[in-house]
Amino acid sequence: EAAVTQSPRNKVTVTGGNVTLSCRQTNSHNYMYWYRQDTGHGLRLIHYSYGAGNLQIGDVPDGYKATRTTQEDFFLLLELASPSQTSLYFCASSGTGGGYEQYFGPGTRLTVL
Amino acid sequence: AQSVTQPDARVTVSEGASLQLRCKYSYSGTPYLFWYVQYPRQGLQLLLKYYSGDPVVQGVNGFEAEFIKSNSSFHLRKASVHWSDSAVYFCAVSAYQGGSAKLIFGEGTKLTVSS
Repeated sequence: EAAVTQSPRNKVTVTGGNVTLSCRQTNSHNYMYWYRQDTGHGLRLIHYSYGAGNLQIGDVPDGYKATRTTQEDFFLLLELASPSQTSLYFCASSGTGGGYEQYFGPGTRLTVL
Repeated sequence: AQSVTQPDARVTVSEGASLQLRCKYSYSGTPYLFWYVQYPRQGLQLLLKYYSGDPVVQGVNGFEAEFIKSNSSFHLRKASVHWSDSAVYFCAVSAYQGGSAKLIFGEGTKLTVSS
């Protein structure tokens, strides 16, 4: 079954710590996205990619890096985590451009102490 | 700038009652519009989408939405809600920004269905 999976599902780190969030999709989609979800803001786009080795900057990229190693795998990196990055993170994939329907993973809840 | 407004942060309805969740968008062109639902501890799932054609679109689980261009609205409706419809609902519009097409989401409406 086609799906988007994320790991870990929950993560706690300290201020200044390094965190890597992983996302894998088996939809054979070209596009992948990282969002953060915060109360009062809905979902905000951090980074996205339209293929292996490609990276596009989203709307709230500060403090985040991302890397797309294969068509299936997209990683979000927080190299110096801050409490403001405490959030719920979602990965999504899309078969065509970002303007079409996207399929979401279950989310990773990150807490930065 | 493109945006989506969901004016109701929380809505409570009784089981069996009808439902309307409001969504208004700001976009200069012809929009692609979506409604997603998020159940507790889960990701977002697509309820329905509008690309073109009939302005009333049908989705899963008895949901429908109507695109009204003159009002820049895409309200979600259901004739009779069930307790299992309790969730957060997001409206989204596809918009071109910075040379790429992206989805812009509203802040969401939390629906509680009371028995």
